[in-house]
Amino acid sequence: IAGITQAPTSQILAAGRRMTLRCTQDMRHNAMYWYRQDLGLGLRLIHYSNTAGTTGKGEVPDGYSVSRANTDDFPLTLASAVPSQTSVYFCASSESAGDGTDTQYFGPGTRLTVL
Amino acid sequence: GQNIDQPTEMTATEGAIVQINCTYQTSGFNGLFWYQQHAGEAPTFLSYNVLDGLEEKGRFSSFLSRSKGYSYLLLKELQMKDSASYLCAVRDNDYKLSFGAGTTVTVRA
Repeated sequence: IAGITQAPTSQILAAGRRMTLRCTQDMRHNAMYWYRQDLGLGLRLIHYSNTAGTTGKGEVPDGYSVSRANTDDFPLTLASAVPSQTSVYFCASSESAGDGTDTQYFGPGTRLTVL
Repeated sequence: GQNIDQPTEMTATEGAIVQINCTYQTSGFNGLFWYQQHAGEAPTFLSYNVLDGLEEKGRFSSFLSRSKGYSYLLLKELQMKDSASYLCAVRDNDYKLSFGAGTTVTVRA
C-alpha cells in the first residue's frame, strides 16, 4: 500500500523513558517532516529532512532528535520523555523540499501520552 | 515569526455555503495551502494558492490576496461528511509550512 506508515499507533510512556516513533514512506519522496499537534495550537514542525543524510530543526525541536539514514525512514526519538511531550505526532513527506505545488502527505499519526 | 489566524469553530446547515477566513503575517511567502482533517485522522491536502485570485476545485474553492495577507476556503453544497477541521498553512521562503490552529466546521442536518 503506497503512502506513509507510522508506528506505534498510540503509546503510554513513563516520564524519563526513551521512545522512538517510526515513520516509513514508500513514495520515494525526498523530503520528510515531523509535526506535533496540540489542541488549540495546530501543527508545529519539530524536525525536517530535505533529503537522505540531512536534517534540520523546526519550530519546536528541543527534547527531540531525528536521523535520515535512507530515503524511506525518518525516526523521531525522545531521549527522556516529559509530560509536555504528550501530543499527537504526525510524520509527513513531500516529493521535494517544497518547490511549486509540491504537497505534503501525512501519515496516520501516533498518539503519545507521557505520565 | 509566523502568525496565522482562523476562526476556531463554524456551524452550517447541510446544503449551505460556508466561508473559512485565514489571515497571515509571515516572514516570507511561498504559497498557501488548505488541508482537511477529520477527527482522529491525518490532514489531507485540499488546495494551493500562490498567485492572487480564486482556485476552484469542485465544491471547494480557495481565494488568495497576497497584499492583504488573506485567504478563504469556500465550501459549497455542504454535506455531512464535510464536518471536519480545516487547516490554513503558509509556506515560507525556506519552504517550511506554518499552520493555523484550524477551524472546526460542523454541518447540521
